[in-house]
Amino acid sequence: ETGVTQTPRHLVMGMTNKKSLKCEQHLGHNAMYWYKQSAKKPLELMFVYNFKEQTENNSVPSRFSPECPNSSHLFLHLHTLQPEDSALYLCASSQLNQPQHFGDGTRLSIL
Amino acid sequence: GENVEQHPSTLSVQEGDSAVIKCTYSDSASNYFPWYKQELGKRPQLIIDIRSNVGEKKDQRIAVTLNKTAKHFSLHITETQPEDSAVYFCAASMAGGGADGLTFGKGTHLIIQP
Repeated sequence: ETGVTQTPRHLVMGMTNKKSLKCEQHLGHNAMYWYKQSAKKPLELMFVYNFKEQTENNSVPSRFSPECPNSSHLFLHLHTLQPEDSALYLCASSQLNQPQHFGDGTRLSIL
Repeated sequence: GENVEQHPSTLSVQEGDSAVIKCTYSDSASNYFPWYKQELGKRPQLIIDIRSNVGEKKDQRIAVTLNKTAKHFSLHITETQPEDSAVYFCAASMAGGGADGLTFGKGTHLIIQP
């Protein structure tokens, strides 16, 4: 299933770098989400977008900056990250009141 | 906010036996409870979900039960097979899961022993 596509699959960056994660969904959904998955912790919701508008920011540090130019694309801009930000970043999408479908994630490593 | 507790963290069962994973949630306003299966290096995939207007839902070897009073829901897998080995996550949300983030449990690593 390639309904939700995330790029890149792997990313290694230094703490002073700036990079972006991309998510694209081909399912015609209206809502998109970013989650963080760290070892031995539950998936943590970061941001929710509904019809391109941000509806939830789960107390995420400002070094993570989301962007949703349209209902099919979602970005996560990264800058000045910390080692504890190393994790798998998962994007998901859904139609209103329907289940969320996840992408394969971007494995991020901060040096 | 919502808090979801999941037990056990690891579950080992013999092939052919049943497996049960339990979750509790804290927010009585939650009304949607999905279960996801995540194999190593792969995306979480929805395997079954239940809404608060029903108490049980079944799909072949998989079933989910919900007790709203106790704020408790469980995943039941019968006749387990090697391909059932994976990490299973429960989650809860309001607004039926659409345009509303999910709160996840910590996951259960299910191991099917041949």
